[in-house]
Amino acid sequence: EDKVVQSPLSLVVHEGDTVTLNCSYEVTNFRSLLWYKQEKKAPTFLFMLTSSGIEKKSGRLSSILDKKELFSILNITATQTGDSAVYLCAVFYGGSQGNLIFGKGTKLSVKP
Amino acid sequence: DGGITQSPKYLFRKEGQNVTLSCEQNLNHDAMYWYRQDPGQGLRLIYYSQIVNDFQKGDIAEGYSVSREKKESFPLTVTSAQKNPTAFYLCASSISSHRDTQYFGPGTRLTVL
Repeated sequence: EDKVVQSPLSLVVHEGDTVTLNCSYEVTNFRSLLWYKQEKKAPTFLFMLTSSGIEKKSGRLSSILDKKELFSILNITATQTGDSAVYLCAVFYGGSQGNLIFGKGTKLSVKP
Repeated sequence: DGGITQSPKYLFRKEGQNVTLSCEQNLNHDAMYWYRQDPGQGLRLIYYSQIVNDFQKGDIAEGYSVSREKKESFPLTVTSAQKNPTAFYLCASSISSHRDTQYFGPGTRLTVL
C-alpha cells in the first residue's frame, strides 16, 4: 500500500530553536516530494524535491530528499512564532497521470 | 489577482440535506481537485478533474458528486449518502494533472448538525 508517514506528529519548541521534520514514503513510481505549510486554511507550497542530495532553501527553511532511503527532512532554523503551523509532506507518484498522497502532517508550535 | 476561491468559508447543514461547495480558479489551470481534511489526518482525495467535462473518483468518492462544465469551476456536492460529512474541504488546482505542484483554496468548513 502506498503511504507517506510524517514524524513527529506534533512538536513544541521555543523561539530560536532549530527543528527537523521528517517524512518517509513507500510509493510506486516516485516522481517528486512536496512540502506545504498550513496555518489556518489553505496549505501553501514550500518546496518540490525530485533529486537526491540537492538541498532546497528558502530563508530559514531548507529541505533535502534521500531517494535511496525514501525520506525527506524539512529544517527550520531560528524558529519564530510565525512558523507555528501544520507542515504537510506529499508525494507525487504513479504513471502518466500521477497521484498525490499526503502524510498526516506535523503540527509545530513555537512558543515565545 | 489570480488564485483559487472557495465559498462559503463556513457552512452549516442539517443531516439529510445535500449541500454544494463552490470552487473557482482564474489561474487557467486544467486540473482541479477536491480533498477532505479531518483533525489529525492528512488530506484525502475525493474527486479530481483533468479537463473540462471529465472527472475521476479519488480515494473517498462515496457520498460526493462533482461537475466540471467550465474550466474555472469545479463544484462539489456533499449528498445525504455521505455518512460523516462534517470536515474541512479543500479545493486545489494544477497546470495539468502531469504537473506536480497543486495550489490550494482557503477551504470550506462544513458542519452537519
